Amino acid sequence: GIQVEQSPPDLILQEGANSTLRCNFSDSVNNLQWFHQNPWGQLINLFYIPSGTKQNGRLSATTVATERYSLLYISSSQTTDSGVYFCAVDPTGVANSKLTFGKGITLSVRP
Amino acid sequence: KAGVTQTPRYLIKTRGQQVTLSCSPISGHRSVSWYQQTPGQGLQFLFEYFSETQRNKGNFPGRFSGRQFSNSRSEMNVSTLELGDSALYLCASSLWTPRETQYFGPGTRLLVL
Repeated sequence: GIQVEQSPPDLILQEGANSTLRCNFSDSVNNLQWFHQNPWGQLINLFYIPSGTKQNGRLSATTVATERYSLLYISSSQTTDSGVYFCAVDPTGVANSKLTFGKGITLSVRP
Repeated sequence: KAGVTQTPRYLIKTRGQQVTLSCSPISGHRSVSWYQQTPGQGLQFLFEYFSETQRNKGNFPGRFSGRQFSNSRSEMNVSTLELGDSALYLCASSLWTPRETQYFGPGTRLLVL
């Protein structure tokens, strides 16, 4: 099946710093989503971005589908950005879709 | 619109028992997917339902089953619980297929003793 690798596995930032989270995937995809899981376990959808660039406030994401990677940018980080960030993909050419998740990136933002 | 809801939020069971978890999708959403999250295996796909039919199933034993009702609410059942079934079980809904934006519920934390 499709492989999803996220890097770095852990990231510690000082409040106000910027960061880039990376997601590499091994096959072409129909669907790529970024999620943030808060400390209580709730997964929040950040972006639906199979290709191109999107921005939402301090967050933005870019997916280069031809090169099989996606980047999530966090600017001016805040302590509430802490948590685990997941990239999830759904490969093309598969009859029934499902999301395959990466292992996640644990982000800690220190005040 | 209300979000995805899951009940119960927390559950403690003993080995050999069975458990039923419930998920109510966002109003109008017809696709419901279930995922298991553990520290060792991460987030893994269990199954997906649409119009009361299971469209896709992950690589889990037959002890894991599910169903969907005509109002799109879904339940999953785990029979003969094992210690390794302790996990956070997450439900997600989307309009038609998991290929669209998926919205997750808060999850059910199951502890098997």
